[in-house]
Amino acid sequence: RKEVEQDPGPFNVPEGATVAFNCTYSNSASQSFFWYRQDCRKEPKLLMSVYSSGNEDGRFTAQLNRASQYISLLIRDSKLSDSATYLCVVANTGGFKTIFGAGTRLFVKA
Amino acid sequence: ETGVTQSPTHLIKTRGQQVTLRCSSQSGHNTVSWYQQALGQGPQFIFQYYREEENGRGNFPPRFSGLQFPNYSSELNVNALELDDSALYLCASSLGGVVTEAFFGQGTRLTVV
Repeated sequence: RKEVEQDPGPFNVPEGATVAFNCTYSNSASQSFFWYRQDCRKEPKLLMSVYSSGNEDGRFTAQLNRASQYISLLIRDSKLSDSATYLCVVANTGGFKTIFGAGTRLFVKA
Repeated sequence: ETGVTQSPTHLIKTRGQQVTLRCSSQSGHNTVSWYQQALGQGPQFIFQYYREEENGRGNFPPRFSGLQFPNYSSELNVNALELDDSALYLCASSLGGVVTEAFFGQGTRLTVV
């Protein structure tokens, strides 16, 4: 079993749609959680950190469920510019070893 | 722009050769992490350097080695290159020995032929 697993993609959605990504992790000692966005042939960029209480940044909402060991990302009112690969990232005990999921491709179409 | 720069941007090497990739971290950051990203995959953690010491390592063989310098820039060295080493190599800089917000360089695309 992979340490971090994400929904298989790609997700093809129309503009304005709401889309949700899930991610599960296997190490219960994991401490820090993030969502990164990676555009084609570019470097990953931090989208948002994920907190136990859940957090929102504009159209993006991230949730963490420690008991079930999963993380989610909700994107509301999708824009064409949201088309990218979304990477779930988990940092293990000590914080130094970061594990990336394989990523989920999102295509938003007009 | 993140302030993290990597060189070179592209590189072609022959199987069995050695390669050195370089990363300049963002000003004020003392931690550099290296990742290998194969096509269609997420980045795989190679190792991290914190204040010039290796601070953790992923499942990569010893022929992957690194250095961090007093100015916190870093090198990734790969010996005895194999075809499967072809990938995008990313470095990320951050502050402190734990994962906070990490900023990535644009990567070095290595092709081994």
